Amino acid sequence: DAKTTQPNSMESNEEEPVHLPCNHSTISGTDYIHWYRQLPSQGPEYVIHGLTSNVNNRMASLAIAEDRKSSTLILHRATLRDAAVYYCIHIPRTPSGTYKYIFGTGTRLKVLA
Amino acid sequence: DAGVTQSPTHLIKTRGQQVTLRCSPKSGHDTVSWYQQALGQGPQFIFQYYEEEERQRGNFPDRFSGHQFPNYSSELNVNALLLGDSALYLCASSFGQGAMGTEAFFGQGTRLTVV
Repeated sequence: DAKTTQPNSMESNEEEPVHLPCNHSTISGTDYIHWYRQLPSQGPEYVIHGLTSNVNNRMASLAIAEDRKSSTLILHRATLRDAAVYYCIHIPRTPSGTYKYIFGTGTRLKVLA
Repeated sequence: DAGVTQSPTHLIKTRGQQVTLRCSPKSGHDTVSWYQQALGQGPQFIFQYYEEEERQRGNFPDRFSGHQFPNYSSELNVNALLLGDSALYLCASSFGQGAMGTEAFFGQGTRLTVV
């Protein structure tokens, strides 16, 4: 199965940028990279996704390495509401054409006031 | 738009019993996936339903089964419950079976406790 590796936890000060790294060395050319976050007592929430080039949206930016074996989620100004577990997910296409999300253990982000 | 709704929110069952969890996908979505999340762990993929058929399955025993209805809603059934089945069960909906480039929406989950 596709595997991602993330640090177990990270800390950031409020209003500062946060860079959350992820390694996905088994990725192949057509596999997307998705990031989700999970706040306490809630289901995962979509953050951003990409394939090859860097991506920006209102929540975050995603920087994808040239060899696509790693990526970094960037929160430009962390707030207390960003404290969550962040999951990097690499989504392989199966022979039947379906796909499934393989979650790792994620990175628990703590934001300090 | 109510998003993905799951019921019930909490459930307590006795070992050996059977349980059915329900999920209504986000409006416009036709694909439903189910996940099991043990405490402190990431969600684990159980299976995915599209066009009322199971399309993909994770590493879960046959005690776990599901169904998708014509209105795209879905049920997860677990037979012969074990203590180890205690977890948060998450439903996720999306559009298109092979749409890797689109986001999935998750429900709040059903917390199942087996005693």
